[in-house]
Amino acid sequence: EIVLTQSPGTLSLSPGERATLSCRASQSVFNNYLAWYQQKPGQGPRLLIYGASSRATGIPDRFSGSGSGTDFILTISRLEPEDFAVYHCQQYGTSPRTFGQGTKLEIK
Amino acid sequence: EVQLVESGGGLVQPGGSLRLSCAASGFSFSLYSMSWVRQAPGKGLEWVSYINNGGTATYYADSVKGRFTISRDNAENSLYLQMNSLRAEDTALYFCARPIHCGTGASCYDDCWGQGTLVTVSS
Repeated sequence: EIVLTQSPGTLSLSPGERATLSCRASQSVFNNYLAWYQQKPGQGPRLLIYGASSRATGIPDRFSGSGSGTDFILTISRLEPEDFAVYHCQQYGTSPRTFGQGTKLEIK
Repeated sequence: EVQLVESGGGLVQPGGSLRLSCAASGFSFSLYSMSWVRQAPGKGLEWVSYINNGGTATYYADSVKGRFTISRDNAENSLYLQMNSLRAEDTALYFCARPIHCGTGASCYDDCWGQGTLVTVSS
């Protein structure tokens, strides 16, 4: 199965700053079928990005996804207070679908 | 509003059984496949099982194959996960989720998740 490694494990930034989160796959992700989710305490994940770079319905344009093959990036251009959460990447190009271990974005 | 509400979690001894439920509302449940995904304490997400919209095709992670059974009742807008022979490593928050697109087989991404129900396997 494809192993996804997210880095960093924890990212400490201030509101207004730019966040760059990485997701690296152990082998190429078929068709760049890579999704990103945001998860806040006590809640289920919320879909942000699918197909590596397409924003889900209702997601603000400060969130963007990029990358292909084995290396993918989630960028939050200007952090808002509500963006501090855990972010998960997930590949759905190969069975079984797999998730990264998550990146915690915390307020500095 | 699309909503998924899980229930049925609790404390169970190793080797025991538990049945989780997920009540769906706000969308045509019978038109969508469904999945269960779990999250062990302090760990990442792990896909557990998938069922197609008609209930005729099911898939399982190797870690639960032969012990867990996914099912659904489209008349009741409900999804279920029967968990038998539970182990300590099954301890997790269990989410039901609605797959919206699949790359291959049951490998999908989900556009709606519940808040989860906690299963603790311990003596």
